Amino acid sequence: EDQVTQSPEALRLQEGESSSLNCSYTVSGLRGLFWYRQDPGKGPEFLFTLYSAGEEKEKERLKATLTKKESFLHITAPKPEDSATYLCAVQYNNNDMRFGAGTRLTVKP
Amino acid sequence: NAGVTQTPKFRVLKTGQSMTLLCAQDMNHEYMYWYRQDPGMGLRLIHYSVGEGTTAKGEVPDGYNVSRLKKQNFLLGLESAAPSQTSVYFCASSRTNNYEQYFGPGTRLTVT
Repeated sequence: EDQVTQSPEALRLQEGESSSLNCSYTVSGLRGLFWYRQDPGKGPEFLFTLYSAGEEKEKERLKATLTKKESFLHITAPKPEDSATYLCAVQYNNNDMRFGAGTRLTVKP
Repeated sequence: NAGVTQTPKFRVLKTGQSMTLLCAQDMNHEYMYWYRQDPGMGLRLIHYSVGEGTTAKGEVPDGYNVSRLKKQNFLLGLESAAPSQTSVYFCASSRTNNYEQYFGPGTRLTVT
C-alpha cells in the first residue's frame, strides 16, 4: 500500500538544539517530494521540492535531503519561531498525492 | 495578489443538509485540489482538476462532488452531509503537477 510516514510525531527542542525530522515513503513512480510548514489554524506553506535521490535544498535554518526511500528535514540552531507542524508529501504516478501526518515541532527559548 | 481564498471560513450543518465550498485563485494556475485534514491523519486528497472543465477523483472522493466551470474557481459540494464529513477542508492550486501547491486558509466544517 502507498504510504508516507513521518517521525517523530512530536519533537520538543531547546533553542539552538539542532535535530532532524524523517519522512519515509513506500510509493512507486515518485514524481516529487514536498515539505510544507503549517502553523495552527492556517493552510500549509510550501518549503521545498525534491525530485531525485541525492538532491538537497536549503533555506535559512532548514535543509532537506532525499534518498530513494526517505527524506530528512534538518533544522540547525532552531528558534522559537520555527515552532510549527512540518508536513511531507509525495507525488507519484501521474497525479496521485499522499501526505504524511506531520511532525509537530516545539522550540523552547 | 490574494493567492488562494476559501469561503466560508466556518460552517455548521445538520446531517442530511447540503452545501458548497468555494475556492478561488488569482495565480492563473491550471491545477486545483480539495483536501480534508483530520487529526492524526494528515491531508487527504478528495478531488482535483487539471484544468478548466476537468475533474478527477482523489483518495477519498465518496460523498463529495466538484466542478471547475472557470479556471480560477473550484467548487466542492456535499449533497447530504454526514457527521463523518466533519473536518477542516483545504483548497490548493499549482502551476502544473510536480510543482508546489499553494493552499488556502481552510474551512472548518462541523456536521451534527
